[in-house]
This record gives sequence, C-alpha cells and structure tokens, in this order.
Amino acid sequence: NAGVMQNPRHLVRRRGQEARLRCSPMKGHSHVYWYRQLPEEGLKFMVYLQKENIIDESGMPKERFSAEFPKEGPSILRIQQVVRGDSAAYFCASSPPGHGTDTQYFGPGTRLTVL
Amino acid sequence: GESVGLHLPTLSVQEGDNSIINCAYSNSASDYFIWYKQESGKGPQFIIDIRSNMDKRQGQRVTVLLNKTVKHLSLQIAATQPGDSAVYFCAEKGAGGTSYGKLTFGQGTILTVHP
Repeated sequence: NAGVMQNPRHLVRRRGQEARLRCSPMKGHSHVYWYRQLPEEGLKFMVYLQKENIIDESGMPKERFSAEFPKEGPSILRIQQVVRGDSAAYFCASSPPGHGTDTQYFGPGTRLTVL
Repeated sequence: GESVGLHLPTLSVQEGDNSIINCAYSNSASDYFIWYKQESGKGPQFIIDIRSNMDKRQGQRVTVLLNKTVKHLSLQIAATQPGDSAVYFCAEKGAGGTSYGKLTFGQGTILTVHP
C-alpha cells in the first residue's frame, strides 16, 4: 500500500527558471494539500485541492505560484521565475474523500534549491 | 490571528524515561489536533490525533492530552527510545469555513534521546 509519493526528491534551479513539483496521493485519496517548510520552522499551508478543483489557496503567494490536481495524473505545484527565497522543502499530503476525514498523510517532500 | 506554538524548542531525555512535549494553540474554534514526528530529511509522520470533544487519547506508547480551558495540548511518550529522536510538531485544524482542510503547525520541538 504505497504512501504519498513526491518527485523529484531534490530539485536545483537557477533564478528565473521554473520548478515543477509532483505529488501522487495515497490510493483512494482525493484530497491533496501542499505545504512549505523553511529550515528549522514548521510547515506552512499553501493550497488544498480536490480533483479538478482548488478548494483553498489562501496560503499561496499571489504571483508565480500555481497548483493543479487534474482528473488524471498527479497534483502539480508550479513555481515560475524562481527566486532564492523559494528555496525550501515542499510537502504534499493527502486524505480520503469525505468531510469526516481529517488525518493528512505526508509524502517525503521535494527539496528545492535555487541558485 | 491563528497560531499554534510550542513552549520548549528542545527536550533531552534518557532512554527509558517518559517524555512530555507541550503545545499551546490560540484558535478556540479548532476542533481537531494532530501530533506529527519528523525525522531529518523525511516528511511528517502521523503519530496520534484527538478531537475537541475528547480530553485524552492513547496509542501505543503515546498519549495526547487536550485542555480546552487553557488551550493546551501535550504529547506523552512512554519509555522513550533512541528511535524516538526527531522533531515533533503539533497541528490544529479549524471547524470549517475557510479553515476547512488547512492544518496550522507549530514550530516544533526537538526531542533527543540519549542511550
């Protein structure tokens, strides 16, 4: 029973390039969440998606960041024109369908380094 | 604003001792709380959760206590082992509206278990 999968595990980009982070939720899960973690800090919520819908993007920066969770395939977090401040670990979590399912299970994360 | 914070950033214990990690939260509307364990280079791992209609919940070697009067959460680990060494985060979730789906994390407590 595979857990949440993320790739790549490590990503290096130069300033101005684009970063694409992928997340495959656990089997049977239809809710996906993205969080960002800076060194020695807790995780900060970015966005909550269900299939083909953005439910809550209150934690997403207004510019350069976007997320999607298509009907088929993984969820994608896209960062355009990366800057050094985007360097962080980005974690994806998933949960089963239904309003009573609160527990979020996390993937191993993608560590983005912007040179 | 909403915040979840930890009183003690580090905790060192001897193997076999019991550990207590504390967490304060400020959002009285939160109805669900989770403890996660994060080892270096890995994603947060679910430990135990509790809903606001409960005061205590026990798992294997772990107990979570919730005091809604003073908005305080604690994680107790019995017979702490070296493998318990990690960063521990508490997280809370609102009851609905714009908070639905979003976990708010504390900064974390570093637990070090000495053999």
